[in-house]
Amino acid sequence: ETGVTQSPTHLIKTRGQQVTLRCSSQSGHNTVSWYQQALGQGPQFIFQYYREEENGRGNFPPRFSGLQFPNYSSELNVNALELDDSALYLCASSLEAEGYIQYFGAGTRLSVL
Amino acid sequence: AQSVTQLGSHVSVSEGALVLLRCNYSSSVPPYLFWYVQYPNQGLQLLLKYTTGATLVKGINGFEAEFKKSETSFHLTKPSAHMSDAAEYFCAVSGGDDMRFGAGTRLTVKP
Repeated sequence: ETGVTQSPTHLIKTRGQQVTLRCSSQSGHNTVSWYQQALGQGPQFIFQYYREEENGRGNFPPRFSGLQFPNYSSELNVNALELDDSALYLCASSLEAEGYIQYFGAGTRLSVL
Repeated sequence: AQSVTQLGSHVSVSEGALVLLRCNYSSSVPPYLFWYVQYPNQGLQLLLKYTTGATLVKGINGFEAEFKKSETSFHLTKPSAHMSDAAEYFCAVSGGDDMRFGAGTRLTVKP
C-alpha cells in the first residue's frame, strides 16, 4: 500500500463529455504528478503540481487541466473527451527529500465511447 | 531532455533462471533512475532506485540493478525467477519535475 488513493476506479464517458478524476496523496507529500497509460504502453507524464502550482507539463493539450488543494489532494480534469483519451490514469505523490521517488495509486480506468 | 529505452518488450524465462531486463537512459543531467513493477489492474510499485553513491542497488523481492554511466545503462536482474515475478516492468528516469518511463517489458515465467 502506497497511501495514494484514486477515485473512481472505473469510469465510462462518451465523446465530447468532461471528466474529473481525483487523487489523495500520501500523507506529507507536497508534490503530485499525473500520468496517462494507454493499453500496452508506459505511463506518459501529463503534469505535476507542487504546493498548488503547476510545476511541469508534458505534451498534452490544454483540455487536460489540474488542481492541487491545500491538503495536497488533487484533481485531473479532461474536457471535450476524445476516443484516444481512453486509458489508465495514474496519480503519484512524492517528496523532494525522498529523492523524487513517486508513489503511485492504483489508477482510474477511463473508457470513452 | 531525458528518456529511457527498454530493450525487449517481452522476456520469457523458466522458473529458477536468471532474469535480465535491459534499460538504457539518456539524460543531460545526472539521472535519478528507477525500476517499477506493475501487476494486472494495479498501479506501479517501486522495486529500486539509483540516485547517487553505490552503483549497485538492491531492491525488493531479490531484484537488483547496476548503474553504468559509461554504458548509460541500468539493467535489472534477479538470480532466480519465481512465478510471482510475472508482471510488467518499467524503467524510468527523473530530473525532479517529471518522470519519463520506458515502454515496459512484460516478464513471463514458465514452470
